[in-house]
Amino acid sequence: DSGVTQTPKHLITATGQRVTLRCSPRSGDLSVYWYQQSLDQGLQFLIQYYNGEERAKGNILERFSAQQFPDLHSELNLSSLELGDSALYFCASSVGWQGAYEQYFGPGTRLTVT
Amino acid sequence: AQSVTQLDSQVPVFEEAPVELRCNYSSSVSVYLFWYVQYPNQGLQLLLKYLSGSTLVESINGFEAEFNKSQTSFHLRKPSVHISDTAEYFCAVRSYSGGSNYKLTFGKGTLLTVNP
Repeated sequence: DSGVTQTPKHLITATGQRVTLRCSPRSGDLSVYWYQQSLDQGLQFLIQYYNGEERAKGNILERFSAQQFPDLHSELNLSSLELGDSALYFCASSVGWQGAYEQYFGPGTRLTVT
Repeated sequence: AQSVTQLDSQVPVFEEAPVELRCNYSSSVSVYLFWYVQYPNQGLQLLLKYLSGSTLVESINGFEAEFNKSQTSFHLRKPSVHISDTAEYFCAVRSYSGGSNYKLTFGKGTLLTVNP
């Protein structure tokens, strides 16, 4: 158990819908990262927050957005969903933000868009 | 931008055999390298990392990786594998693209299957 929790575990929704994925980081960690894992694209970094502020951005679509709240939990919002958004979404957390710190991954949320 | 190439998508081996999972990265001035492992239906876990110092790094479960700057490689090895080592292994490099934009770039992964 990494100490990072993600809800829900599974999500099935239809095209065009909007969903929210939630992540609680490990106690004491200030950074939260979001990743998308799919068979064709592999593991792709989406976005990072550190203590409530956006720190780094990866291959995140404009239809996707995220935020980190004062209690440090984070939410990833996915809107106007397409079939191709079906994937595993991982949240990770770390103490610092400069990428040298170990990232602890949650168990993931499996999103299926039908 | 940094990139990572894992040369083998699948590596099947027999139990107690040695294994090497290959990883090459695009060159950069300062390199931080990582190996993560993903067991079935789980998130990724850090296996080992190279930040600086000794080029040979070891994990607690018998894996080791060697940073080779001239060959831009960070191959993962284990002299004798167990069934429980069956998992997907990801090589990653920290990349920096200005300002506060640090991120981990992952390879496509290598599925290690250990057969009895």
